[in-house]
Amino acid sequence: DIQMTQSPSSLSASVGDRVTITCQASQDISNYLNWYQQKPGKAPKLLIYDASNLETGVPSRFSGSGSGTDFTFTISSLQPEDIATYYCQQYDNLLITFGQGTRLEIK
Amino acid sequence: QVQLVQSGAEVKKPGASVKVSCKASGYTFTGYYMHWVRQAPGQGLEWMGWINPNSGGTNYAQKFQGRVTMTRDTSISTAYMELSRLRSDDTAVYYCARDLNLVPAAPRGWFDPWGQGTLVTVSS
Repeated sequence: DIQMTQSPSSLSASVGDRVTITCQASQDISNYLNWYQQKPGKAPKLLIYDASNLETGVPSRFSGSGSGTDFTFTISSLQPEDIATYYCQQYDNLLITFGQGTRLEIK
Repeated sequence: QVQLVQSGAEVKKPGASVKVSCKASGYTFTGYYMHWVRQAPGQGLEWMGWINPNSGGTNYAQKFQGRVTMTRDTSISTAYMELSRLRSDDTAVYYCARDLNLVPAAPRGWFDPWGQGTLVTVSS
């Protein structure tokens, strides 16, 4: 199975900061990489699909990039409502794996 | 609107089985894969597998092979996930989630919407 290594596991940043989370796959997954946001007590929400495509209705401060094994998720200007845990997720050969998650806090 | 409504919380003893339901509405049930994902308390997301509601075909994560069974009843637009031989570390919130990619194309992991989650507690 493909393993996903997400970092950092937690992150503290100030409102307005640029925030970056990385995800590395154990083998080439092309652009088969999605990013989710999960707020406490809620189900996850799809933000980015196929590495770089913004889901409808998601603010443009969120973006994703990468292909192959290395991927990046960026919030260009952190807002208070962005406090959540973020997960990368790969899909390949009909199987799906999530990264370990990054807990984002306000400094 | 598109909605997934799951069955209520369960408390089970070790060694027992649990069956969680996920009723879909607002879309063609047989047109989209249904996935199951679980989350242990304070932990991350763990994908368990998917079912093709049209054919009944399934694909399970290796970790759950032999213990999980995913089924569906198309007459009532409901998917089911049954987990057997429960252990204490199976205590988790179990979610169903629709894959946005249309059957029969392969699932793409684009999960939307999600059910509200079902807490399964395994305790003696």
